Amino acid sequence: SQTIHQWPATLVQPVGSPLSLECTVEGTSNPNLYWYRQAAGRGLQLLFYSVGIGQISSEVPQNLSASRPQDRQFILSSKKLLLSDSGFYLCAWSQIGAYGYTFGSGTRLTVV
Amino acid sequence: KQEVTQIPAALSVPEGENLVLNCSFTDSAIYNLQWFRQDPGKGLTSLLLIQSSQREQTSGRLNASLDKSSGRSTLYIAASQPGDSATYLCAVGGNQFYFGTGTSLTVIP
Repeated sequence: SQTIHQWPATLVQPVGSPLSLECTVEGTSNPNLYWYRQAAGRGLQLLFYSVGIGQISSEVPQNLSASRPQDRQFILSSKKLLLSDSGFYLCAWSQIGAYGYTFGSGTRLTVV
Repeated sequence: KQEVTQIPAALSVPEGENLVLNCSFTDSAIYNLQWFRQDPGKGLTSLLLIQSSQREQTSGRLNASLDKSSGRSTLYIAASQPGDSATYLCAVGGNQFYFGTGTSLTVIP
């Protein structure tokens, strides 16, 4: 069966520090991968999605970047965090076609 | 761009009551519609997935319907329990997945 792993679960980082969040998927190949952010009291915002290794699409201009070095690995990064980067970050995967999404357990990021 | 709206934003009901959560979307050209549950501080758990060719899906006390022509979906929860308290999100899949802002449900014992 397919599983998705996301870590760390919580993270407190100072302003200006770098960020690296990792997401991996098991039990499938060539998944579509997504990074979402959920700010307090707001809906889910799509940040990045990837349909293959090295293929990244950005939905909104921001202080973040994403990379997909392997088929089932998706990384969210920042060189210098801002206070506004605080939020709940969720990774998800899907397969092409009429299939739904499966989400990871999320990372709570607090920038102080 | 697809817009997804969920009404009501919050709902409080006594235990045992049947309830309906609503989701509407503006573009009927969708692949599927998915209902999720989110507990505070947790990720999203998939409840039901309705393909665009289907009209409803059922799982236990949950029933989700889809009417593409009117751009609506409902999630029916029968005999609600305190453990059903959570935020319920609907998401519409086309070229991308678009999420509503959710309905926060509280079931009072």
